[in-house]
Amino acid sequence: AQSVSQHNHHVILSEAASLELGCNYSYGGTVNLFWYVQYPGQHLQLLLKYFSGDPLVKGIKGFEAEFIKSKFSFNLRKPSVQWSDTAEYFCAVNPYSGTYKYIFGTGTRLKVLA
Amino acid sequence: DTGVSQDPRHKITKRGQNVTFRCDPISEHNRLYWYRQTLGQGPEFLTYFQNEAQLEKSRLLSDRFSAERPKGSFSTLEIQRTEQGDSAMYLCASSGSFRLPTNEKLFFGSGTQLSVL
Repeated sequence: AQSVSQHNHHVILSEAASLELGCNYSYGGTVNLFWYVQYPGQHLQLLLKYFSGDPLVKGIKGFEAEFIKSKFSFNLRKPSVQWSDTAEYFCAVNPYSGTYKYIFGTGTRLKVLA
Repeated sequence: DTGVSQDPRHKITKRGQNVTFRCDPISEHNRLYWYRQTLGQGPEFLTYFQNEAQLEKSRLLSDRFSAERPKGSFSTLEIQRTEQGDSAMYLCASSGSFRLPTNEKLFFGSGTQLSVL
């Protein structure tokens, strides 16, 4: 079955620390890849997405993600986190096979200490 | 506000009762999704529509769950004979615009929090 794995469930960092959140998916075909973020008290919103082309994609608020096809991975990174990045982060996959279904990972809860 | 709206925001019901939730997507979107989310988990796919057609439904979804999108606009999700295990946040999302076909992403509503006592 198609699935998305996020290895870090809880991450605590100090401000200015670097962030990398792992995401792996199990699907052999072409995929569209997304990271969504949910800030406290807010609804889920798109952080960045990869459809094709340059495997390094940049999103809002200084986030970026790298698609490594051979590793079935789409890890999220930020060089220097801020307190306002405290949120829950979800990786999602849309298998590009005639379906528009999105499959989400279990999420990573990030807490940034001021 | 032109985002995805869900009603009600909270629903408390007794086990065995039926509940119905409504979702109004962004008006130009032709796809509408229902997800369920419990604490510590990511959104779990339930079903999605393209216009009024229900194109896919999770195999894990009980027959007690049914969704409709009668005119390709708003959608309802009904849960019959609720169980305590149905307690969760029910999320609606929409996507897909013929005017912006390449800008595919999900726009989420704030969700309906269901508590089954």
